[in-house]
Parts: sequence; structure tokens; C-alpha cells
Amino acid sequence: EIVMTQSPATLSLSPGERAALSCRASQSVSSYLAWYQQKPGQSPRLLISGASTRATGVPARFSGSGSGTEFTLTISSLQSEDFAVYYCQQYNNWPTTFGQGTKVEIK
Amino acid sequence: EVQVVESGGGLVQPGGSLRLSCAASGFTVRNNYMSWVRQAPGKGLEWVSVIYTGGGTYYADSVKGRFSISRDNSMNTLDLEMNSLKPEDTAVYYCVKGTAVPGRYWYFDLWGRGTLVTVSS
Repeated sequence: EIVMTQSPATLSLSPGERAALSCRASQSVSSYLAWYQQKPGQSPRLLISGASTRATGVPARFSGSGSGTEFTLTISSLQSEDFAVYYCQQYNNWPTTFGQGTKVEIK
Repeated sequence: EVQVVESGGGLVQPGGSLRLSCAASGFTVRNNYMSWVRQAPGKGLEWVSVIYTGGGTYYADSVKGRFSISRDNSMNTLDLEMNSLKPEDTAVYYCVKGTAVPGRYWYFDLWGRGTLVTVSS
């Protein structure tokens, strides 16, 4: 089973700042990597698939990059609604697995 | 509106059984890769089970032999039968529509609000 490791566990930033979230796979997952956002009390929402393709309706301030074992989700300028927990998921290998999440909190 | 709505969660004793249901609208369950994903309280996400468009079913090792996924094509619903429940099965269970990638697996583009299953005596 591929282990997905996200860092940092918590990111404390102010609105308007840039956020960079890391996701590392224990072996290559090519570009078969998705990112999700989960706000308190809500279900996850797909942000990015294929490592860099934004889902419908996702603002352009969200971008994904990377391939192989190293991936990054970047939020160019944090808005109040972006403070949430973010998860990565690999779907290259069986079974599909998620990272443990990065919480982006207001500093 | 495209959505899925889960039901059937609740409190059950260890060793007991529970059946979750997911009602889909705006799309056809049998034409999609449908999964259940769970989230233990305060924890991350764990894929549980999938049913393929062709009807094949697959499970995470943690639930294999205890859980059974099925669908009702006439009702456009997805079910999860859970037997021999353990305290570690306590979680919010999400019904999720997957987008399959040829030669690979799926990412999840539609999530329900979830239903809470608590396994405790």
C-alpha cells in the first residue's frame, strides 16, 4: 500500500498570504494525484485531479504541481473561505490512499 | 441537481450489523464507479469499498469479509451492508461518485454529507 505523507500538519497563515502544501508518496504515483478541501462539518470537495487540473468551479488561486513522489498544492492568496483541511489522494496504485491532511488555519 | 444523500447510520453494538443507503439524483449510479469512504472522528479519509459499472465489487482489507456493497439500478441507490462491526469501524461514511481513469483507479468528484456510524456497547 502506498503511504501518502502530507506536510506540514498545520499551516498558520494570514489572509492574502501564499500557502504551499506538500504531499509525498512512498513510491511513484505518476500524476495520478488528487487534492480535496474539507471545511469543518462539511464533506470533502474535489479541488484538483491529475496533479494539476482544477475541478469545475475551483478558483484559479488554487494550483497543483508535481509528479512521481512529490506534489504541491499552492493557494496563491489565501481568502477567508480557504481556511480548511486539505487532503491528497493517490489513485495510481491499489488501493487508493489518502494523506493524513494539512490544516490551514488563520494566524 | 446532482447529489447523493446517505442514510442508515446510528449506534450499534460490537458484533452487530447495519445497512447504509445512498440515494443518487441527477446521474445514474450503474454508469459510475461508486464508493464508500469513511472518516473516523477527528481523523483522515479511508476508502472502504467500490462497485464498478460492470458490477464488480472490491473492498479495503480492513472490511473484507464483513462489508458488502451493492446497488439497486431501479431505485438508483447504493448500499453498504456492514456485519461483525467493530469499535474501529466508528466513522462518518460518505457515499462518493468516482471518476475512473483508464488503467488506473478513481478520484472522487461528488461526495454526500455522510452518515455517522457509532460502534459501542
